[in-house]
Amino acid sequence: RKEVEQDPGPFNVPEGATVAFNCTYSNSASQSFFWYRQDCRKEPKLLMSVYSSGNEDGRFTAQLNRASQYISLLIRDSKLSDSATYLCAVNEGTYKYIFGTGTRLKVLA
Amino acid sequence: EPEVTQTPSHQVTQMGQEVILRCVPISNHLYFYWYRQILGQKVEFLVSFYNNEISEKSEIFDDQFSVERPDGSNFTLKIRSTKLEDSAMYFCASSDEGLYEQYFGPGTRLTVT
Repeated sequence: RKEVEQDPGPFNVPEGATVAFNCTYSNSASQSFFWYRQDCRKEPKLLMSVYSSGNEDGRFTAQLNRASQYISLLIRDSKLSDSATYLCAVNEGTYKYIFGTGTRLKVLA
Repeated sequence: EPEVTQTPSHQVTQMGQEVILRCVPISNHLYFYWYRQILGQKVEFLVSFYNNEISEKSEIFDDQFSVERPDGSNFTLKIRSTKLEDSAMYFCASSDEGLYEQYFGPGTRLTVT
């Protein structure tokens, strides 16, 4: 099983739709989880951290399911500007992060 | 808003040449990282650096690679003898604690011919 797995997509959704992505991880000792957004040929930009209790930032909600070892990202009321690749990152030890391959989202007008 | 900066934005070099990629992390951050991303592939961890030494490195980070913090602001990645397969985007990142959020620089696109 790969360390961190994501469905590559693309997820094509109309504007205003709600879309959710999952990211599974293999290391049960992982403690830190993040979602990043990456636009084409740009650097990953931190979207949000994922806490045990879940967290919300505007239209974005992140959740952690330790029992099944996955994190999720929910985007409500999708905008055209949300079109990007969404990367999850999971720590392995204190000083190393493993990224997933990313899920491509296309929001259609 | 503080940000990580990287220079150059694009570097073209010939196979076998040495390159040094430069990064200026966010000023109060203590943990520094290098990642690479081959076109169309995932972001891969290379190395982490804390307290003037390497904390962890991946299997990609072999003897051809080295990192240094030559002064209080710069963090560099050196590739001693570049290979064609070193062509990639190289991202520097920093964080203020070991398991905290990492902030990425804009990257250096390295092209080895």
